[in-house]
Amino acid sequence: GAVVSQHPSWVICKSGTSVKIECRSLDFQATTMFWYRQFPKQSLMLMATSNEGSKATYEQGVEKDKFLINHASLTLSTLTVTSAHPEDSSFYICSASRDSHQPQHFGDGTRLSIL
Amino acid sequence: GENVEQHPSTLSVQEGDSAVIKCTYSDSASNYFPWYKQELGKRPQLIIDIRSNVGEKKDQRIAVTLNKTAKHFSLHITETQPEDSAVYFCAATPEAGGTSYGKLTFGQGTILTVHP
Repeated sequence: GAVVSQHPSWVICKSGTSVKIECRSLDFQATTMFWYRQFPKQSLMLMATSNEGSKATYEQGVEKDKFLINHASLTLSTLTVTSAHPEDSSFYICSASRDSHQPQHFGDGTRLSIL
Repeated sequence: GENVEQHPSTLSVQEGDSAVIKCTYSDSASNYFPWYKQELGKRPQLIIDIRSNVGEKKDQRIAVTLNKTAKHFSLHITETQPEDSAVYFCAATPEAGGTSYGKLTFGQGTILTVHP
C-alpha cells in the first residue's frame, strides 16, 4: 500500500506557460501532501505543505502566487507553476502521508523543462 | 528551523564491504528520522526509519542508529551489493507540535557507489 502517483512525469514548454502537476494518493487518504523541488545533484527542498481543505503553507522564499497549490480532496493535490521561466526548470516531487505520524511516500516526480 | 548535515557526500566501496553514512541535526524537537534511497531520475524510497524512543533499528542488511544526546544518526549497510548504488538521503522532523510538524528536512545526500 501507500502508492503516490504524480502526473505528468515530463513536461517541456515555452517560457510564459503555466504548468499543472497532479499528485494523487491511490490507496490511502492523505491529510497532508508536500511539494518539493530538486535541482540536479542536490537535495530535496520543501516548497510547501498542502492540507486538504485549507490554504497551503509555503516555505520562506517560495512565491505563493507563482506556485499555486490546491488540495481539493484527500487524494489529490495540484501544483501549478504560473508563467514559468527557464529558472523554474527542475524536478518537482510530491509526497503524501496518512497523517503526520506516518512516513511520507513520494510520487515519481515531474521533470519540468522551460525553454 | 531544523538543519541536517550529511557526510560523506560520496562513498565508494567494494561489493561485500560495509557502508556508513552519518547525519547530524540541530533541532532537539526532531524525533523522527527516515532514510531514503533515490536512484537517478526516480522517486526517493523509504528504506528505514527510526523514532527517538529507540537507539537502533535493523532490517536485514540495513541498520540505523540514533544518539539523541549528540543529535546524530547513522545508516549502516552491510554486505553491500551493486544494486545498493544510489543516492541516500537522511531526514529529520518533529512529529508533534510546532510549525514544523511533519515537515522533513533533508540532508545533502550521499552518492554511494558499490563496485563489483
